[in-house]
Amino acid sequence: DGGITQSPKYLFRKEGQNVTLSCEQNLNHDAMYWYRQDPGQGLRLIYYSQIVNDFQKGDIAEGYSVSREKKESFPLTVTSAQKNPTAFYLCASRGGNINSGELFFGEGSRLTVL
Amino acid sequence: AQRVTQPEKLLSVFKGAPVELKCNYSYSGSPELFWYVQYSRQRLQLLLRHISRESIKGFTADLNKGETSFHLKKPFAQEEDSAMYYCALIGGTSYGKLTFGQGTILTVHP
Repeated sequence: DGGITQSPKYLFRKEGQNVTLSCEQNLNHDAMYWYRQDPGQGLRLIYYSQIVNDFQKGDIAEGYSVSREKKESFPLTVTSAQKNPTAFYLCASRGGNINSGELFFGEGSRLTVL
Repeated sequence: AQRVTQPEKLLSVFKGAPVELKCNYSYSGSPELFWYVQYSRQRLQLLLRHISRESIKGFTADLNKGETSFHLKKPFAQEEDSAMYYCALIGGTSYGKLTFGQGTILTVHP
């Protein structure tokens, strides 16, 4: 079954701890994205990667880090430096040309900081 | 900088009534605009893109460059249209960076 798989779906973390959210795709897409979804603020871009071993900061990258060592995988680490980490995180991938707007989304990961 | 604004957080209509979800954008070049939809317990997915000029599930959207708008319209709303709708933009120099608006929750009452 092709698509984007995010794990875990729910995650609780204590303040001061780093946590890594997994995102895997088997769509053979080059580009991958991480968005944060907050009520009333829509989707805000954290990081994106157009190709393996390359990634760029989005609009709200502070307190987050990513890696893109494999085409299929784009994990997001929420560090202790992120001041308001409780949120719903969405991963997406895109195939086709660079300005094709069709992103394929995962089901999301909800992070709660206790 | 590119920005997308959806002025309505919530929109309620009755079944069979026309519906219009507003979207305004700012971008200095020629953008490509999209509407995404998230139904309850489903993934966010592409609804339509302006370049295709197509109607999906009875929805249409016209890009108005003069007013920098890309409003989503449907003449007769159905209960199954109830969902969260996001307007999104890609600019020619944004290297695949898709910017989303704040989203509008549409509720269609029976």
